[in-house]
Formats: sequence, C-alpha cells, structure tokens
Amino acid sequence: RKEVEQDPGPFNVPEGATVAFNCTYSNSASQSFFWYRQDCRKEPKLLMSVYSSGNEDGRFTAQLNRASQYISLLIRDSKLSDSATYLCVVPPGFFGKGNQVVVIP
Amino acid sequence: GAGVSQSPSNKVTEKGKDVELRCDPISGHTALYWYRQSLGQGLEFLIYFQGNSAPDKSGLPSDRFSAERTGGSVSTLTIQRTQQEDSAVYLCASSHRGVGNTIYFGEGSWLTVV
Repeated sequence: RKEVEQDPGPFNVPEGATVAFNCTYSNSASQSFFWYRQDCRKEPKLLMSVYSSGNEDGRFTAQLNRASQYISLLIRDSKLSDSATYLCVVPPGFFGKGNQVVVIP
Repeated sequence: GAGVSQSPSNKVTEKGKDVELRCDPISGHTALYWYRQSLGQGLEFLIYFQGNSAPDKSGLPSDRFSAERTGGSVSTLTIQRTQQEDSAVYLCASSHRGVGNTIYFGEGSWLTVV
C-alpha cells in the first residue's frame, strides 16, 4: 500500500540547525494526522498531532497542506537527542516508513 | 494495565512451527492494530480491528497469518508454518474509538525464526 509516503533519508543535520521533511498521503478524505518518533529498537511514541491550522510545540512545528496532500514536520535548533526516525500516520493507522534524522555534533 | 501489553517479549521458533502472539490493549480502547517491522524497515500494517466491525485484514501478507480479537479486548496474531522471513518485531497498538485518536503501542514481540 502507498497510503502514505516518506523519504527515509537519512537526514544528517548539524547540531543547532533546522531540518524539515514531508509526508504525502493519498486519501484526500483523511482528517487527522500525527507525527510519531521512534528510537532504535523501541516502539513508536506520539510526538504531536497535526491540525489544519498547524501545530507548534517548542522546537517542533507540524503543518498540514490539504491541497497538496502532505504534512510536514520542522525541527528547529536540532539537539543530539532529536536523532530518531520520525513517522507520520494517516487514518486508520497507516504509517509511513519514516524519516531518519541523525543530528551531528 | 496502564499500557498496551504484549507477550511474549521474545520468541525463537523453528522454521515450520506455528506461533501465537498476544496483545492486551489499553482498557476501553475499541481499536486495535497489528504491525510488523523488520530490522531497519518501516512499520508494515497487518490488520485493524474497530469495535464490532469486520476487521481490515488487507495488510496480512499471506494466508499463514491470521488474527482474532475476542470479546473486543485481547487479540492474538497467529503465524502458521513460520518462515525465516517472518522474523521481525510484531507491534500491537490500540486507540480510543479508532480514527482520529492517538495510537498507543506496546513494546512488541520480537520473533526470530531459525
């Protein structure tokens, strides 16, 4: 299935830099979206919801572009601890393959 | 329990044997999901249960895979005649009322077929 697609990367990001990536979805009727974070050999955990008006949580900003059917995640002032894989999910539970982020000292 | 509980945590089985993986969702969650994740790969959707509706089995990779959810709570994923390519972590997740609600994951069942 290709309900959702992500560029797996890796995205090598210098510490302190900004990184952004998108997740495209195929079902135009989808209403709710989420970003999850997955650390190596751990289960995914909710990072943030994605609202139509956008959503900001500290250094993280999530946005939805319905016209082009994608959601985005932006991480500002990257920390070493941000190194992880970031997964988007569209209803009813289809996950993308994830964007792997590696923050480099 | 407070979270999604899966058992066993780890399972090593011989090729050709059947295995059963159990998932106990968060109490009150009506939606339950099974995923498979091979090492270094993304989450592969297997099956989705929502309340009393017919499950979405579209992700099951072959007829060796089946899942049940009894009484709207505990679910069992069964893999018959296991193959080496079945080696992966099997993640169960649940959410309240399904679509549009946060999905919570268990820690997974790590399956190794030798």
